[in-house]
Amino acid sequence: GAVVSQHPSRVICKSGTSVKIECRSLDFQATTMFWYRQFPKQSLMLMATSNEGSKATYEQGVEKDKFLINHASLTLSTLTVTSAHPEDSSFYICSATTPGPLTGQYFGPGTRLTVT
Amino acid sequence: DAKTTQPPSMDCAEGRAANLPCNHSTISGNEYVYWYRQIHSQGPQYIIHGLKNNETNEMASLIITEDRKSSTLILPHATLRDTAVYYCIAPPRGSSNTGKLIFGQGTTLQVKP
Repeated sequence: GAVVSQHPSRVICKSGTSVKIECRSLDFQATTMFWYRQFPKQSLMLMATSNEGSKATYEQGVEKDKFLINHASLTLSTLTVTSAHPEDSSFYICSATTPGPLTGQYFGPGTRLTVT
Repeated sequence: DAKTTQPPSMDCAEGRAANLPCNHSTISGNEYVYWYRQIHSQGPQYIIHGLKNNETNEMASLIITEDRKSSTLILPHATLRDTAVYYCIAPPRGSSNTGKLIFGQGTTLQVKP
């Protein structure tokens, strides 16, 4: 149980275009989902917290107009990288958690974004 | 926030126990200690978490000192597939209910044949 999927697993896009990444909780309802970014040889950096039906909360330094997050249902959150640039190339990882204070966080397999 | 400190890297022989330490001297009384690991180019995987008692599951054991200032993750019989970056995390104060996790640099465990 507690499986989180991401789609696509890899994407290449041209500079200036937008790309959408989906995060789904397959066998549980996730009231909260998180989006992380990871550059090579670095740790995961939390970008934003997404709660179903409400606006996402972004970490300091993360541009909310560039990284659009939508959490339309209890099983789906999307991250759209708008007007992508080569420096946005990274490994994007989502995670989901179930209600309650003590549950773990379940991570997706990640999406490798390359902007050319 | 409860800052955690881990050694950047460790080696372990296959079949032996891997003991990964973590210092969290500023942890508060209601903050849990979580352990995750990340195998190369994959999403992190939950391992175990604890508050003050030692915990064991099918993956690992977690030993927390009585003063809660440090803990040790134990993989009893390490295999080559356990080679990964291991993260010790103590969630920020006030955020335990949201599950927000801040990752440090972790420990890169290399299991060698």
